[in-house]
Amino acid sequence: GDSVTQMEGPVTLSEEAFLTINCTYTATGYPSLFWYVQYPGEGLQLLLKATKADDKGSNKGFEATYRKETTSFHLEKGSVQVSDSAVYFCALNRDDKIIFGKGTRLHILP
Amino acid sequence: EPEVTQTPSHQVTQMGQEVILRCVPISNHLYFYWYRQILGQKVEFLVSFYNNEISEKSEIFDDQFSVERPDGSNFTLKIRSTKLEDSAMYFCASSEEGAAKNIQYFGAGTRLSVL
Repeated sequence: GDSVTQMEGPVTLSEEAFLTINCTYTATGYPSLFWYVQYPGEGLQLLLKATKADDKGSNKGFEATYRKETTSFHLEKGSVQVSDSAVYFCALNRDDKIIFGKGTRLHILP
Repeated sequence: EPEVTQTPSHQVTQMGQEVILRCVPISNHLYFYWYRQILGQKVEFLVSFYNNEISEKSEIFDDQFSVERPDGSNFTLKIRSTKLEDSAMYFCASSEEGAAKNIQYFGAGTRLSVL
């Protein structure tokens, strides 16, 4: 069945560092891809999305590009802030179900 | 910005008791969902609901679970006789009709602790 695999955390970076969180997926066809973020004590918030191959989703300085050839949707940010500390979930939509990766906890040190 | 609201934020119950978890989806959304996340594991789909009936359910969603839209705003998940393994974070989500249907908006979750 369809699945999402993302890098294990926690990931600890210093403020202003470059961030990459790897995500690959297994799916038939071309599902929509998402990154959700969960800040401490809050729910799952949609961070960005891409609905077809080569689409780039972006929001709040984060970017991810839908790569069909490598079945990847890696999350990147050029300069992280302490406020970016959260758990990040890569996900895909299949038949109206969201299928999530396990999540990657990100700690940003001042 | 409209949001999905879930209550309570934390529910503690004894094994064998019934619990009802409540959700108020975004007002113009027509598709509703429940997911759960057992501590340390992935967020898993439980059930989807549209037009006052279940559209799809996972193998987790057995006879102990039920969903209902009792009025025009609430969407509930009932667990009839809770088990220890039902302890998890439960997320409600909703989405619009049409092209935006594949974008689901989630609530903050209800943490269920079964003792």
